[in-house]
Amino acid sequence: EPEVTQTPSHQVTQMGQEVILRCVPISNHLYFYWYRQILGQKVEFLVSFYNNEISEKSEIFDDQFSVERPDGSNFTLKIRSTKLEDSAMYFCASTPDWNEQFFGPGTRLTVL
Amino acid sequence: AQKVTQAQTEISVVEKEDVTLDCVYETRDTTYYLFWYKQPPSGELVFLIRRNSFDEQNEISGRYSWNFQKSTSSFNFTITASQVVDSAVYFCALSEARGGSEKLVFGKGTKLTVNP
Repeated sequence: EPEVTQTPSHQVTQMGQEVILRCVPISNHLYFYWYRQILGQKVEFLVSFYNNEISEKSEIFDDQFSVERPDGSNFTLKIRSTKLEDSAMYFCASTPDWNEQFFGPGTRLTVL
Repeated sequence: AQKVTQAQTEISVVEKEDVTLDCVYETRDTTYYLFWYKQPPSGELVFLIRRNSFDEQNEISGRYSWNFQKSTSSFNFTITASQVVDSAVYFCALSEARGGSEKLVFGKGTKLTVNP
């Protein structure tokens, strides 16, 4: 069964460094999302992406964040200058329509 | 604005007990979707069910059942004869059916512990 994949599974970085989290959505899906979950808290929407552009973003998704679909398969989330509070699990999701979102296994980001 | 409330932070039961997880939602839209996801200790999000606002039929899938009541804006989840493997955090989520992203808005989750 097709699934969303994410790499790396765990990323450790120093505060102020740039990180890129990678996702490979399911191949025939059209809508892509990033969510984050701070440890022990709820899952929060960051950004959605459709037709090669951002369709919606949350207040969390400030100028430090960007997303890209550099080729036909990858979907990346970049954090330009990480802060301690960026430490969280980041989930990528995709959907062929706008209902059932399939989530990847997540990338745990630790900012030291 | 959309909001999902899961008032039960943690529930602990003994194996074979039935358990109901509550979910109350708020939305101004007449068309929306409700979801339940399971997050086991390994951390991934596992899709359990999606319900649209026009379908109030209850659903049963094995030991799982869902009760959707628009009158009380609730979408509760019952596990019958719970098992240790059901131990996880369960999230209820809402998606409004607008053209565009239809992001999911999650509740805070209910941590279910099933003891042997």
